[in-house]
Amino acid sequence: GAVVSQHPSRVICKSGTSVKIECRSLDFQATTMFWYRQFPKQSLMLMATSNEGSKATYEQGVEKDKFLINHASLTLSTLTVTSAHPEDSSFYICSVGHLTDNSPLHFGNGTRLTVT
Amino acid sequence: SQQGEEDPQALSIQEGENATMNCSYKTSINNLQWYRQNSGRGLVHLILIRSNEREKHSGRLRVTLDTSKKSSSLLITASRAADTASYFCARWGNAGNMLTFGGGTRLMVKP
Repeated sequence: GAVVSQHPSRVICKSGTSVKIECRSLDFQATTMFWYRQFPKQSLMLMATSNEGSKATYEQGVEKDKFLINHASLTLSTLTVTSAHPEDSSFYICSVGHLTDNSPLHFGNGTRLTVT
Repeated sequence: SQQGEEDPQALSIQEGENATMNCSYKTSINNLQWYRQNSGRGLVHLILIRSNEREKHSGRLRVTLDTSKKSSSLLITASRAADTASYFCARWGNAGNMLTFGGGTRLMVKP
């Protein structure tokens, strides 16, 4: 199955700075990647769908100017949290999969973001 | 967005006991999937059951699906301390363009 590499695994930053999270599909050409956010003891909430070569599709309530997504190649998508604030502290997880057959997704190991 | 509900939210059992987690959903499905998440890690796919299937097994895992009740259950038999994790059911949205997760069950297996 596809292997997904996500890094950094953990980042602490000061309020107002920007943080970039990378998601790589190591053995799978991913035209679509998904970015999820998970707060403690809660489920995963889809933030956006990252489409290779085109603009990402954001879920309702997710600010596209705050969470910048770039999917420039079939193996790399990045999520940049701009001007981070403490309320952005969360666990961010990317995933990769085929959309055509409703098959399972493959997930990265997540990034724990702490904004101080 | 979350489209399914899971219960219980938390479950604590002794090693060797069975653990049952339930998932309900609201709209029609092509398949329903179960994932496991160890603390602070990503999700790992466990098992997929199609809408025309009623039961599926994988090792110590048994999944059932009742489309008339829009519900599914995951049974872990002879649990081990290493089974301690959160378990989520998930389904693709109607447009087939996003995977939505239930609230999850946090399972703790005490040695």
